[in-house]
Amino acid sequence: DIQMTQSPSTLSASVGDRVTITCRASQSISNWLAWYQQKPGQAPNLLIYRASSLQTGVPSRFSGSASGTEFSLTISSLQPDDFAMYHCQQYYSYSATFGQGTKLEIK
Amino acid sequence: QVQLVQSGAELKKPGASVEVSCKASGFSFTGYYMHWVRQAPGQGLEWMGRINPNNGDTKYAQKFQGRVTMTRDTSITTAYMELSKLTSDDTAVYYCARGDIEYSTSSYDYWGQGALVTVSS
Repeated sequence: DIQMTQSPSTLSASVGDRVTITCRASQSISNWLAWYQQKPGQAPNLLIYRASSLQTGVPSRFSGSASGTEFSLTISSLQPDDFAMYHCQQYYSYSATFGQGTKLEIK
Repeated sequence: QVQLVQSGAELKKPGASVEVSCKASGFSFTGYYMHWVRQAPGQGLEWMGRINPNNGDTKYAQKFQGRVTMTRDTSITTAYMELSKLTSDDTAVYYCARGDIEYSTSSYDYWGQGALVTVSS
């Protein structure tokens, strides 16, 4: 299976901050990567697909980028609603795999 | 609107089987792959497998081969996931999630609300 290494595991930030979460794949996955936001007790919500395409309805402060096997999710200006868990997912192989998750918490 | 509504929480004994259902509405059920993903308490997400509701074709994660069965009933637009030989390690929230219309592997744009399965003696 393709391993996805997500960092950091926890990120403390303040409203208005610009933050970046990173995911590194163990092999090339082209741009077959998605990012999800998950709040406690809820299902994940798709934010970004194909590494940089914004899902319909997702605020434009969220963006994704890729460089080789390293992928990033950036939130340009944190809003109170953004404090949550974030997961990356590769879907290059038929057996999709996820990163361990990043908890974005209020500083 | 697109909805995936799952069955309720289950409490099972070790060695038993559990079946979770996922009722789809608001879109063409046979037009999209349906995936199953689970999340153990405090852990990350784990892909279990997927089914093509159009023809019933399935693909399972190697970890669950021999223990998981995914089926569907197109007449009631419902997908099912059965997991057998349960152990405490199977305690998790189980999600169904809608995949792509064309590719068997994809991101998931709609998710069910999740079904908690607890395995305990």
